Amino acid sequence: GAVVSQHPSRVICKSGTSVKIECRSLDFQATTMFWYRQFPKKSLMLMATSNEGSKATYEQGVEKDKFLINHASLTLSTLTVTSAHPEDSSFYICSARGTSGRGTDTQYFGPGTRLTVL
Amino acid sequence: AQSVAQPEDQVNVAEGNPLTVKCTYSVSGNPYLFWYVQYPNRGLQFLLKYITGDNLVKGSYGFEAEFNKSQTSFHLKKPSALVSDSALYFCAVRDYGNNRLAFGKGNQVVVIP
Repeated sequence: GAVVSQHPSRVICKSGTSVKIECRSLDFQATTMFWYRQFPKKSLMLMATSNEGSKATYEQGVEKDKFLINHASLTLSTLTVTSAHPEDSSFYICSARGTSGRGTDTQYFGPGTRLTVL
Repeated sequence: AQSVAQPEDQVNVAEGNPLTVKCTYSVSGNPYLFWYVQYPNRGLQFLLKYITGDNLVKGSYGFEAEFNKSQTSFHLKKPSALVSDSALYFCAVRDYGNNRLAFGKGNQVVVIP
């Protein structure tokens, strides 16, 4: 299947700092990228959807000023958690869906980023 | 609205026995159906999908699933489970024209040696 990478895989930061997570589609062009948050032993909670070159669409209850999403190219999206607090500690997973051919119907997921805010 | 139900929290099966993970869905139009597997502290790995065509879909690692329109089900199956199949399995559906996937709550599969 298509490959999506995420970096970093794990990050520990102090409360009040900002953290940027990168998501890349390595072997296909992603029209749409998705950012999810997952709590232990729970399903995925969609945070936002972004289309290349457009502003992200945030789900209800997700603060767009806190979780900044940029989808500047067809292979890269970033999530920046601004002024992180301990309650933002979670497992963040990105996902990408392609433009044509490979990956058009299927969402492929990155390996996830474990964020711990002290 | 689109939704997925995975009725069991955990499925226990002995190694070598058949494995079934149940999924039913609800969509307003034609469904795109997916199964993903998640290992601890990892992202989701795509297993298989149904978009159109043959109702029996074969996927990675020996898994298959059968689309049943009348029962609105898409159960995941494997004829002979391996200990390495122990993981969290998610069923997901997307209505044609909808940009977002709806996920089930997930099923923990435990394969007992």
